[in-house]
Order: sequence, then C-alpha cells, then structure tokens
Amino acid sequence: KNEVEQSPQNLTAQEGEFITINCSYSVGISALHWLQQHPGGGIVSLFMLSSGKKKHGRLIATINIQEKHSSLHITASHPRDSAVYICAVMGRTNFGNEKLTFGTGTRLTIIP
Amino acid sequence: DSGVTQTPKHLITATGQRVTLRCSPRSGDLSVYWYQQSLDQGLQFLIQYYNGEERAKGNILERFSAQQFPDLHSELNLSSLELGDSALYFCASSVGTGTGYNEQFFGPGTRLTVL
Repeated sequence: KNEVEQSPQNLTAQEGEFITINCSYSVGISALHWLQQHPGGGIVSLFMLSSGKKKHGRLIATINIQEKHSSLHITASHPRDSAVYICAVMGRTNFGNEKLTFGTGTRLTIIP
Repeated sequence: DSGVTQTPKHLITATGQRVTLRCSPRSGDLSVYWYQQSLDQGLQFLIQYYNGEERAKGNILERFSAQQFPDLHSELNLSSLELGDSALYFCASSVGTGTGYNEQFFGPGTRLTVL
C-alpha cells in the first residue's frame, strides 16, 4: 500500500463543473503540498498546508490531520485547469528535514 | 517562474555514459532537493543538501551522486547510465531545514533520455 493515495486517478469534467481531488496518507507529516504538473512537465506548487483550509483564486485546499486526508477543490473549472495534480506529504528525515513523498497524481481533463 | 533554474532542459545520451545535471536554487534558499520522475515509479525523492552538506538520502542509486557547491548550486551526477534511468529529474529548493516546514519550489526539470 502506498503511503500516499490519491483519487480519482483520472477525471474528465465539463467546463464550469466543481472538481474535487482527494488525498489520503498513512504516515505522520508536518505539512502537505498540492502540486500541478502541465503536459510540458514543469511542476508548480499550488498550496502547502498543515491545518485547516487555504484558498487561492478558484482553488481551495483543505486538510484534516486527524483523519490523514486532504482535498483539492476547483470551482468553475476551465480547460486551462487540465493538468496532473499531485499530492505530496512532507515527512521528517533523520535530521528533521523535509522529505516529500508523492501520490501517483490525478489527471484532470476539462472539456470546453 | 519559481526562481529555481535547471540545465540542461533536455539530454539524450547512450547507455554506459555519464551525465551531470545542474540546479541553481532560488536566491536565499539553502536547501536543494533532487527528485526523479519516471513513468513506472512516479516522483521519488533522491537526495537533499543543505548549505553544502548532504542531509537526507532517498531512493538514490549508488551510480548516482550529488553535491552542493559554496555558491549553493547543486549538481546531480548519473553514471553507467541504463535505459531505466530515462526520466525527468527535478530540483527543488527551500529556505532552510530542521525547524518547522519550509515550502519547496520546483525547477523546470531536465528530461534525460538514455538510448
């Protein structure tokens, strides 16, 4: 079983729909990243959060530390949101430094 | 633009060869992380350096090595290359280490193709 599980693996939706991507993890973490990767390959950090909720434009990320679960929501989805969304948890290495463990990603396609 | 730069963008080489990937962190960042993204393994943490010292190792092969120089740029050396080493290699940087959690910012990646 992977330490970080994402669902769904693939998601296709119509433009304007509300999107939810889920991430569950099994290890203790200090924080969680949501990352976006476009077809060109570059990775952009959308959020880093350790509790509660963060909002940036049409994107909302929530985390429940007790339940070891996070969600990424996209409101009023647009074709430019089409990308792979990756959940990454920030654990602790021997020196107390941050080591990211990644989920397998959710491929989102928004149809005009 | 995250402020992290990586060169080269693309690299094509043959099995058995050795290559060096370069990363310059964001201004002021002391930590550099290397990640490998392959089709079958996804994104994996390879190694972390902080202010010139190795701080953490992940799934890095013995054929791979890295270092961080006094100007804080880092190089990832891959030797005796195999077909399975073909992947995207990302570098990320963060402010510091140890206390609290520091957001990591990713470079654009180097796509390595081993023929």
